[in-house]
Amino acid sequence: KQEVTQIPAALSVPEGENLVLNCSFTDSAIYNLQWFRQDPGKGLTSLLLIQSSQREQTSGRLNASLDKSSGRSTLYIAASQPGDSATYLCAFSSGAGSYQLTFGKGTKLSVIP
Amino acid sequence: SQTIHQWPATLVQPVGSPLSLECTVEGTSNPNLYWYRQAAGRGLQLLFYSVGIGQISSEVPQNLSASRPQDRQFILSSKKLLLSDSGFYLCAWSASWDRWEKLFFGSGTQLSVL
Repeated sequence: KQEVTQIPAALSVPEGENLVLNCSFTDSAIYNLQWFRQDPGKGLTSLLLIQSSQREQTSGRLNASLDKSSGRSTLYIAASQPGDSATYLCAFSSGAGSYQLTFGKGTKLSVIP
Repeated sequence: SQTIHQWPATLVQPVGSPLSLECTVEGTSNPNLYWYRQAAGRGLQLLFYSVGIGQISSEVPQNLSASRPQDRQFILSSKKLLLSDSGFYLCAWSASWDRWEKLFFGSGTQLSVL
């Protein structure tokens, strides 16, 4: 089964800075990957989904990339804002069906005004 | 548009007491439904999933059970809670017609077993 690692576990940056969150996985048989945002004490909000045939997806200031050969995905956040402070989780699926998703433990991001 | 409701938001229960958490989805038909648990310092753990009424698959052996009495209703239960059942419980759904099955989560239930 997939193992998903997110490094660092926590990150603090000043407002306005561009930043990259990293996610690595052990199985190259990727069906899709998803990036989620979780605010404290809340559920997860889907940010981006990259299909296995795609290399990246963009939504506003967010860009997620997928490199299956290296077993890595990155989430790029441009011009960070205090409202971006949250925990960001990545999840990989090795086959059809969301029941096959494996989640990382997340990176807790703090954007300092 | 589709919405997912999960309640209660917070629950404090003594060890050995029963549990019932409910989740409903609106605005879609025949959704795939999921129960996850998120323990402190750990990733999300899939507990149960369902692709239809009465169809429940269990991912992790435990003293919890799930039921799907209606198409858009998913219930997580326990007859006797353990201390180790404490955690943040999340219900989620995905569209059965969506090949890539984007996942949508409820707001979660924080369960404390004392």
